[in-house]
Amino acid sequence: KAGVTQTPRYLIKTRGQQVTLSCSPISGHRSVSWYQQTPGQGLQFLFEYFSETQRNKGNFPGRFSGRQFSNSRSEMNVSTLELGDSALYLCASSLGGSSRGQETQYFGPGTRLLVL
Amino acid sequence: QKEVEQNSGPLSVPEGAIASLNCTYSDRGSQSFFWYRQYSGKSPELIMSIYSNGDKEDGRFTAQLNKASQYVSLLIRDSQPSDSATYLCAVRVPGGYQKVTFGIGTKLQVIP
Repeated sequence: KAGVTQTPRYLIKTRGQQVTLSCSPISGHRSVSWYQQTPGQGLQFLFEYFSETQRNKGNFPGRFSGRQFSNSRSEMNVSTLELGDSALYLCASSLGGSSRGQETQYFGPGTRLLVL
Repeated sequence: QKEVEQNSGPLSVPEGAIASLNCTYSDRGSQSFFWYRQYSGKSPELIMSIYSNGDKEDGRFTAQLNKASQYVSLLIRDSQPSDSATYLCAVRVPGGYQKVTFGIGTKLQVIP
């Protein structure tokens, strides 16, 4: 089975621009979660989508948004970029059910975003 | 109080020794626990999951869970320099689907 894929892998933007990141989950996985990782803050949860619906949301401003398509692929958008948005953005997929094991998350390689 | 707490390290152990990584969590109702390994510049990769009190072994790795004391640990036997990485503890917090919270991670350095 192919793993989680993310595109692009690297991105350089300037302040004020917007960016869209893409994530394709493992085949059969219906849940996609997004995380921001910075050296000082660790993994911070952004949001989680399941069957095209946002099921959980972290404490990030409204500039961060996402969506999920019927094939479970997900996109994350950040508008009006700030310098502090420079980070590694990771997506993780899981089966998405509530039974034991179905919540196990598998991570993609990440998108490294640099905001200048 | 943070939901999942880990000592950020670095934890230095000599090659061949046992590395012991610890994690505590705040929500007593937590049901699922995970350990991930993350090499510098890479994404986290799942090492193992544990759901019941006691030990779970997988090769050189042993996860230990004590729900009464609200801690979970990871032991790495015969540590190798290739084990040098950051180890992330993750806990599924009850009250919502997929609300998995990560600790800050412990950086492990295995000294040859």
